Amino acid sequence: SQQGEEDPQALSIQEGENATMNCSYKTSINNLQWYRQNSGRGLVHLILIRSNEREKHSGRLRVTLDTSKKSSSLLITASRAADTASYFCATARNSGGSNYKLTFGKGTLLTVNP
Amino acid sequence: DSGVTQTPKHLITATGQRVTLRCSPRSGDLSVYWYQQSLDQGLQFLIQYYNGEERAKGNILERFSAQQFPDLHSELNLSSLELGDSALYFCASSRGLGTPGNTIYFGEGSWLTVV
Repeated sequence: SQQGEEDPQALSIQEGENATMNCSYKTSINNLQWYRQNSGRGLVHLILIRSNEREKHSGRLRVTLDTSKKSSSLLITASRAADTASYFCATARNSGGSNYKLTFGKGTLLTVNP
Repeated sequence: DSGVTQTPKHLITATGQRVTLRCSPRSGDLSVYWYQQSLDQGLQFLIQYYNGEERAKGNILERFSAQQFPDLHSELNLSSLELGDSALYFCASSRGLGTPGNTIYFGEGSWLTVV
C-alpha cells in the first residue's frame, strides 16, 4: 500500500507562478524525500527532510514537514516550463535493523505553461 | 546521468514468456533496489539486495526473482509474463542499506510491454 499520498494529482500553472504540492502519510517516519520524474525517465532525488526538521530549502525548492499532521509540502517558486514533471514524495522508515524502506506516493503531475 | 545503468531500455514480449532485466549500480554502491511503475499501481518496491544478499522484499510476485552478483550488478527475472506485467521497471542503488540520508539513485528504467 502507498505510504505517501500526494495532493493534488495534477497541477497546471503559468510560468513564474509558485507551485505547491502536498504529501500526507500514515505512519511514523525517519525522513521524507521528494523526487522528480520527467515523462518516462528515471526519478531524480530533489531534497530530503528529516523527521526532526520543519523546513528545508534548496534553490527554488522549499520543503516543510509537520509530523503532528503527518504531512509535507513542496513549494517550487518562480516556476519554469522546465519544471514540468511528476513529483513524488517518499517516506523512509525503519524496516528492521539498519534497513530503511522507502515508500513512494503516486505523484503530482505538474505542468508549467510558458 | 545518475550512474545507474539499466538494459534493455525497451522490451516487447509475448504472454507466457520470460525476460531478464539487467542493472549496473553506481560505482561503489552496495545496495540495489528494484521498483515497478505502472499507471494503476504507481511506484511499487519489489526487492532490495545489499552486497549480494537479499535485504528486503516488497510486492514482488512469485513469478519474479532477482539476484545480485559478486560484481554487484543485479538481474530481475520475470517469468510466465502476463499483460498486467507491462510496466516500467526501475533499478536504483545506494551506498549503504538505505539508512537515513542515504540518497537512492535511479536508473532510466526498462520499459516492458507484454502483448
